[in-house]
Amino acid sequence: SAVISQKPSRDICQRGTSLTIQCQVDSQVTMMFWYRQQPGQSLTLIATANQGSEATYESGFVIDKFPISRPNLTFSTLTVSNMSPEDSSIYLCSVARGVGADTQYFGPGTRLTVL
Amino acid sequence: AQSVTQPDIHITVSEGASLELRCNYSYGATPYLFWYVQSPGQGLQLLLKYFSGDTLVQGIKGFEAEFKRSQSSFNLRKPSVHWSDAAEYFCAVGASQGTDKLIFGTGTRLQVFP
Repeated sequence: SAVISQKPSRDICQRGTSLTIQCQVDSQVTMMFWYRQQPGQSLTLIATANQGSEATYESGFVIDKFPISRPNLTFSTLTVSNMSPEDSSIYLCSVARGVGADTQYFGPGTRLTVL
Repeated sequence: AQSVTQPDIHITVSEGASLELRCNYSYGATPYLFWYVQSPGQGLQLLLKYFSGDTLVQGIKGFEAEFKRSQSSFNLRKPSVHWSDAAEYFCAVGASQGTDKLIFGTGTRLQVFP
């Protein structure tokens, strides 16, 4: 498995502001992903964070709203930009160790509330 | 397209009773299947996974799941539920071994009465 930490664990933000969420893994991993879990809902993949290149976004998610960085094999950030109350969710990062890696492991999540 | 259905939104059982959580998937090729558990305020913890081989897989915390290709199902079971098992359970299907996205079901909330 992998030990994954996220910062902040929770935050309350004002409409129109931006928040950057950090995901740190205790060892190098090939794949990192960002998911959103809206209140009472399941998880939806936002994007795959690619090391050294632009993230790959899923349908319905765009870079201007959710810019992602991945400067190395153990760290990634997700920014939620120009927030609205609809962005209130839990944001989770997950990782998979390498090519042929067989499991995604999830971080503890960041609970975001937008007022 | 891949999809996962968890027909039961909410299940309530008594402590010590047996448990079965249902999961049906839709996928054209051989699926990779997972069960995760999310306790209140927590992230997701992997319970078990199926990639190939024995269709009955054992997981942590006394859980097991059986892959039935003919029924497109991957139901989660536990013979005797503990109060600490109260949580949200998610079934997920992956297109490949961890290098692609997971499609999650809508989850089943388990409540355990003493």
